[in-house]
Amino acid sequence: GAGVSQTPSNKVTEKGKYVELRCDPISGHTALYWYRQSLGQGPEFLIYFQGTGAADDSGLPNDRFFAVRPEGSVSTLKIQRTERGDSAVYLCASSLHETRFSGANVLTFGAGSRLTVL
Amino acid sequence: AQSVAQPEDQVNVAEGNPLTVKCTYSVSGNPYLFWYVQYPNRGLQFLLKYITGDNLVKGSYGFEAEFNKSQTSFHLKKPSALVSDSALYFCAVRDSYYGNNRLAFGKGNQVVVIP
Repeated sequence: GAGVSQTPSNKVTEKGKYVELRCDPISGHTALYWYRQSLGQGPEFLIYFQGTGAADDSGLPNDRFFAVRPEGSVSTLKIQRTERGDSAVYLCASSLHETRFSGANVLTFGAGSRLTVL
Repeated sequence: AQSVAQPEDQVNVAEGNPLTVKCTYSVSGNPYLFWYVQYPNRGLQFLLKYITGDNLVKGSYGFEAEFNKSQTSFHLKKPSALVSDSALYFCAVRDSYYGNNRLAFGKGNQVVVIP
């Protein structure tokens, strides 16, 4: 597609429920990232995929958070047993594959999924 | 560890005046530095980046930034601000070693351009 698409744009759920957030990256972008942006803060890294595999998941806050990218394109961020502290905007970004010689690729961000846990 | 500080919460500037948004960073090695802008209900949009080379980087919409290694700063500038520049601006850094793909963002600066 023309840009990074995230669905849903808004999700309201109750504490303890399970949530899935979807990201459809730019066609041809092999790198995909999830960030979380809490109110009044900058985006915080969660996880990075290169192709189908999670190359760096060091930012996931705990084992309630999990992300997959089974075919190397669309990714789903999954949150189990949601807590009120999970309320935030979840941002997805994609980029071309970065090599030792390509320098730093630019991330293209989606508009985000706003999650509210009541 | 890698981190960014954006010391001001809000920057107010009159339309037509120069705009400066401050950013200082901390990395273990050499930095890759970025500025992004965020408009309400929209994703972050890339403005410019510094990887290596000339310390003055020019980007989109007339913005530029100067990399200063001794002061570990990467301030964003625009010679003449427009009302449409009112938005939230984020500085971001990552250590340049291969395999590190985690960007560290600052908390952002709200820029208000007054007509």
